[in-house]
Amino acid sequence: KQEVTQIPAALSVPEGENLVLNCSFTDSAIYNLQWFRQDPGKGLTSLLLIQSSQREQTSGRLNASLDKSSGRSTLYIAASQPGDSATYLCAVRNSGATNKLIFGTGTLLAVQP
Amino acid sequence: DGGITQSPKYLFRKEGQNVTLSCEQNLNHDAMYWYRQDPGQGLRLIYYSQIVNDFQKGDIAEGYSVSREKKESFPLTVTSAQKNPTAFYLCASSMGQLNTEAFFGQGTRLTVV
Repeated sequence: KQEVTQIPAALSVPEGENLVLNCSFTDSAIYNLQWFRQDPGKGLTSLLLIQSSQREQTSGRLNASLDKSSGRSTLYIAASQPGDSATYLCAVRNSGATNKLIFGTGTLLAVQP
Repeated sequence: DGGITQSPKYLFRKEGQNVTLSCEQNLNHDAMYWYRQDPGQGLRLIYYSQIVNDFQKGDIAEGYSVSREKKESFPLTVTSAQKNPTAFYLCASSMGQLNTEAFFGQGTRLTVV
């Protein structure tokens, strides 16, 4: 059974710092991995999607990497801003007959001005 | 303006009542999903549908029911059999192919009073 873990559960950094969020998964047989952002009381906003054949994806100040063989992904945020404060979730879509996203419990990020 | 619309944003249910949460998408997506989010537990899959008139149970389907009569709509009914329904409910959709990106609505917060 696929399990997705995100460490740390919470992170606080000063504005301007570069930071890395971690996501690990137990079963490497995945189609893709997706990073989301969630603001308090809101839905999820898709940030980046990495296919299993890709090593990384970039969007603006965000860069996500995927090492499928080791079951790890990282989300790198450059030059963090207070507006980046949110919960960041990763999710994997398993290979197989079912079409399900399996989520980690998220990392709560606070960027201090 | 394409997207996923969930309504209502807030819903209050009395003990013993059934309530229905609405989810509509105009993205022409084949697959739709319902997740439940509780503090500290991440997102858990309730039901999903890969095509009209077909749906499958997720990990926590007991006490819930769904229908998929139209491609655009995937309503979730929380029945009186669901003993702890207070949670944040999120609807999502994707193209249906296993390597595609998932998009989420803004959520419905259900509270039992």
